[in-house]
Amino acid sequence: AQTVTQSQPEMSVQEAETVTLSCTYDTSESNYYLFWYKQPPSRQMILVIRQEAYKQQNATENRFSVNFQKAAKSFSLKISDSQLGDTAMYFCAFMNYGQNFVFGPGTRLSVLP
Amino acid sequence: ETGVTQTPRHLVMGMTNKKSLKCEQHLGHNAMYWYKQSAKKPLELMFVYSLEERVENNSVPSRFSPECPNSSHLFLHLHTLQPEDSALYLCASSHYSGQGTSTDTQYFGPGTRLTVL
Repeated sequence: AQTVTQSQPEMSVQEAETVTLSCTYDTSESNYYLFWYKQPPSRQMILVIRQEAYKQQNATENRFSVNFQKAAKSFSLKISDSQLGDTAMYFCAFMNYGQNFVFGPGTRLSVLP
Repeated sequence: ETGVTQTPRHLVMGMTNKKSLKCEQHLGHNAMYWYKQSAKKPLELMFVYSLEERVENNSVPSRFSPECPNSSHLFLHLHTLQPEDSALYLCASSHYSGQGTSTDTQYFGPGTRLTVL
C-alpha cells in the first residue's frame, strides 16, 4: 500500500521569504502522479502543483516549484516570495494509475507579516 | 456555476435523522469521489464512482450510502450517524481515461461541515 508522510506538522515563514515543505512517499510502482494541494481557512482544497513521475523536470507554477527526487521518493514544495494568502494547510498527495489517491497528514503553514 | 459545488455547506443533525449531501460538478468529468476530513487525520477516501459505476469502497460503515445518478451528480445519504462521524465531507471530480491508464487531477468542492449531535 502507498503511504505519504509529511514530517512537518507546522511551519512559519516571514512574508517575502522562501519556505520548503517536505513530503516523502512509499510505493513500489514506477508510474504515478504527485500533487500538492492547499487548503486555506475557507476549507476548499485547491490544486497547487502536479508532477508526473515519468518526467525528470521539476514542475513549476509561478511562485511554487517542486524538488522531485524519484529514487529517494521525495517531493518537496518550495514557495518563493511568500504572501499572506499562502497561509493554509498544505497536503501532499500520491495517485497511481488505478486512481487510488493517498494524502499526507498535512503541514500547516503560517505566513507572518 | 463552475467547478465543483456542494450543498449544504453546513449541516447539524441528530443521531436518528436521515439527511443527504449533494455534490455537482460542472467540469465534464466522469469520476467523482467522497472524502472525509476529520481533525488531525489524513483525508480518507470513502467512495469512488468512475463512469457512474462504484469502483471502490474503503470499508465505510453502512450508515453512509452513496448514490451517483449521472456523471455530474453525487449524493451521500446519511442515516443513524454517530458523533464521531462529525467531519468535513469533501467531494471531488476528475476525468478518468479507463482502467490502467492515466487519470486527471482531482478538483475539490468546498465541503460540507457535518455535526452529529
